[in-house]
Amino acid sequence: GQNIDQPTEMTATEGAIVQINCTYQTSGFNGLFWYQQHAGEAPTFLSYNVLDGLEEKGRFSSFLSRSKGYSYLLLKELQMKDSASYLCAVTDSNYQLIWGAGTKLIIKP
Amino acid sequence: GAVVSQHPSRVICKSGTSVKIECRSLDFQATTMFWYRQFPKQSLMLMATSNEGSKATYEQGVEKDKFLINHASLTLSTLTVTSAHPEDSSFYICSARPLAGDHNEQFFGPGTRLTVL
Repeated sequence: GQNIDQPTEMTATEGAIVQINCTYQTSGFNGLFWYQQHAGEAPTFLSYNVLDGLEEKGRFSSFLSRSKGYSYLLLKELQMKDSASYLCAVTDSNYQLIWGAGTKLIIKP
Repeated sequence: GAVVSQHPSRVICKSGTSVKIECRSLDFQATTMFWYRQFPKQSLMLMATSNEGSKATYEQGVEKDKFLINHASLTLSTLTVTSAHPEDSSFYICSARPLAGDHNEQFFGPGTRLTVL
């Protein structure tokens, strides 16, 4: 079966760094996405990885290791507005998005 | 660019009525649109995939006669929840895949909050 695992909830301090991990087992792989979702809103795109390595975009970075079926999202200089759920999603061999359950990130002052 | 709109953003209806939700790609053409449902504190669940001009493909467990999907043009897909019941109350989100560009791209609408009384 297809499966994506990420922690249910994480807590971090404003100004700090947090890493959200995601592991996946899917039928085929055509890329991994990270989305941010605030409560009551639709997901917004953060990053896309299809090759191994680190993609940096401002305060957010995403890493992929295809051989390990592993990715992480790194958030630096955390701000209160970063409190949200972070969804990991993988595109399988049929280009269908398989979603993780999401990680609720709580930022404390 | 790549904006997807949904209408209405919020709807409250009585049990037994039908509700139509529209999903539009505003500045691009979409070959494929996806309909998701999200219950509180849960992740997105794909309900169906709709391709312009053909029947939608429903995920296992989703009743196609209850959730009617029409994708009549390259910029519009509609989801009709027929004979809605309180258990259908949820956050419904559509996404659209552009006709041109990366096969992986999907752009999400803002979602529709459905409450069935």
